[in-house]
Amino acid sequence: SQTIHQWPATLVQPVGSPLSLECTVEGTSNPNLYWYRQAAGRGLQLLFYSVGIGQISSEVPQNLSASRPQDRQFILSSKKLLLSDSGFYLCAWSVPLPGTVNTEAFFGQGTRLTVV
Amino acid sequence: SQKIEQNSEALNIQEGKTATLTCNYTNYSPAYLQWYRQDPGRGPVFLLLIRENEKEKRKERLKVTFDTTLKQSLFHITASQPADSATYLCALGDHNTDKLIFGTGTRLQVFP
Repeated sequence: SQTIHQWPATLVQPVGSPLSLECTVEGTSNPNLYWYRQAAGRGLQLLFYSVGIGQISSEVPQNLSASRPQDRQFILSSKKLLLSDSGFYLCAWSVPLPGTVNTEAFFGQGTRLTVV
Repeated sequence: SQKIEQNSEALNIQEGKTATLTCNYTNYSPAYLQWYRQDPGRGPVFLLLIRENEKEKRKERLKVTFDTTLKQSLFHITASQPADSATYLCALGDHNTDKLIFGTGTRLQVFP
């Protein structure tokens, strides 16, 4: 069966420090991968999505970047964190079926990032 | 600009009643629409998907409608239970890309 691993669950980082959040998927091949951020009491903001290795689409210009070094690995990074980067970060995957729409997205447990 | 709007105010209903949540969108031509449930501190969990050429989809106590003319989807939970209390999110899928864009979510509270 397919599973998604996202870590760490919580993270407290000082302003100006780097960030690396990792997400891996098991049990599927060539998934679409997504990074979302959710502010407290708000909806999910799409940050990045990827349809294949090395293919990254950025949705919101900001202090973050993403990479997909392997088929089932998606990494969210920052060189210098800002206070406004605090939030709940969620990784998700889906598999588009040929000739049809995207299937449902499966989410990781999320990372609660607090920048202090 | 593109918008996906859900009622930001919490919906409070009594157990046994039908809960109806609304998702409105502007400047989108979605190929499909999905509904998710999110509990506090957890990732969203998929509930239902409805395609642009479908008017209604049902799953157990859940029903989703999709009106591409009104640019609106309604999500119904019949015979609601306190365990249905959560935040419900709609998400739109694009024709041309693999993006999945979420609405702001509506918190549902079912009280006994």
